Amino acid sequence: GAVVSQHPSWVICKSGTSVKIECRSLDFQATTMFWYRQFPKQSLMLMATSNEGSKATYEQGVEKDKFLINHASLTLSTLTVTSAHPEDSSFYICSARGTPDGYTFGSGTRLTVV
Amino acid sequence: DQQVKQNSPSLSVQEGRISILNCDYTNSMFDYFLWYKKYPAEGPTFLISISSIKDKNEDGRFTVFLNKSAKHLSLHIVPSQPGDSAVYFCAAKAGNTGKLIFGQGTTLQVKP
Repeated sequence: GAVVSQHPSWVICKSGTSVKIECRSLDFQATTMFWYRQFPKQSLMLMATSNEGSKATYEQGVEKDKFLINHASLTLSTLTVTSAHPEDSSFYICSARGTPDGYTFGSGTRLTVV
Repeated sequence: DQQVKQNSPSLSVQEGRISILNCDYTNSMFDYFLWYKKYPAEGPTFLISISSIKDKNEDGRFTVFLNKSAKHLSLHIVPSQPGDSAVYFCAAKAGNTGKLIFGQGTTLQVKP
């Protein structure tokens, strides 16, 4: 079946630094990637949608300059949290869409900013 | 504005019995619905889905029912097993954007 590899699975960084999270579709081409974040005991909140080769579309309230998304190829999308602060600590999950109704999720990245 | 709602934060069921998880939505543009199982610090695992043109879809122990007029769907698990204990999320897709909107999740505990 379709597999999405997300790395790193967890990361601790200092305030003010940037962190990059990678999401790769291993055996299919993902025309669209979605990025979510989840706070403890809460729902998955969609942050942005990225299509290969074009700029990401951000959901209302999500700072595009803080959460940089790159989708340079059909198998790779990255999310960079710039100038991270403790309130950015969360669980980030990517989802790759290979078919109209086929969504495959990565295993998530636990980000802790200290 | 919560477009997908799971009003029961938790559910406890005895092993072997039926688990029924409910989900309501408000957006009539949703055309596809999915259920996911999730453990802490892991990505969601797809369980079952249903198109808005159907009212039932079954896969093994899992059955999803869709009532479009009520904007309500439910996931039935029978028989429930202790390994089913997890957080269950329903998600809805709006056809024009392809985005998945998630409910708040329901924590299912199946007791041996």
